[in-house]
Amino acid sequence: DVKVTQSSRYLVKRTGEKVFLECVQDMDHENMFWYRQDPGLGLRLIYFSYDVKMKEKGDIPEGYSVSREKKERFSLILESASTNQTSMYLCASSPSGTSGNNEQFFGPGTRLTVL
Amino acid sequence: AQSVSQHNHHVILSEAASLELGCNYSYGGTVNLFWYVQYPGQHLQLLLKYFSGDPLVKGIKGFEAEFIKSKFSFNLRKPSVQWSDTAEYFCAVNARGTNAGKSTFGDGTTLTVKP
Repeated sequence: DVKVTQSSRYLVKRTGEKVFLECVQDMDHENMFWYRQDPGLGLRLIYFSYDVKMKEKGDIPEGYSVSREKKERFSLILESASTNQTSMYLCASSPSGTSGNNEQFFGPGTRLTVL
Repeated sequence: AQSVSQHNHHVILSEAASLELGCNYSYGGTVNLFWYVQYPGQHLQLLLKYFSGDPLVKGIKGFEAEFIKSKFSFNLRKPSVQWSDTAEYFCAVNARGTNAGKSTFGDGTTLTVKP
C-alpha cells in the first residue's frame, strides 16, 4: 500500500512566521504535488516536482516555495505566513509516465491556521 | 490547458436514491479520467479511473462512470446510495503525453445521504 504521510495534522502559526510542511512517500514515486483545498474551490495545485531538485509552479505558487532534496520527501515552505494562507494542505504522489496513467495517492492533509 | 467542471456543488439524497454526478472537461487531446472521493476525516482516495477500452468503468463500492467522448463527459453513477456514501467527490483529468501526471481537478461535489 502506498503511504503518503504529512508531518502535522493541525498547525497554528502567527502572521509573518516561516512555516514548513513536510511530506514523505514510501513508494518510490517520481512525482509529488502540493495542493491547497478550500471549500467550494476544490484542489488547487501550488507546486509539483517530477524529480529530485526539480520543481514546477502550479496554479497558485505565490507566497510559497518548495524543496525536494530526496526522492521521498517534498517540503512546502511559507516564507512569511499570512492569514489568507489558512487552509487545508494536501500532499500527493504518483508514478511518472506520459501515458497519463498516473493516479495520485494523497496524504491525510495538514490544516494550517494563521493567526 | 485542460479544465474540469462539476455541475453540482452540493447534492442531498435519501438512502436508496439513485445518484448521478456530472463532470465535463475541456481538452482537445486524449485524456485519462478519474473520480476521487474524500470521506469525512479521511484521505482523498481513488474511486475509479478510465484510460481506454470500455467507456463504462466500475469502481469501488458499486460506483460506475461512463466516458462519453463526444460530450467530453465522465459522469459518476450509483443506482442506490447508502448513508456511508456521504463524502466529497472530485473529478480529475490527466492529459496524455504531458509530463508528470499532473491532474486538473474539478471543484468537488459534496454528497449528503440522509438515512
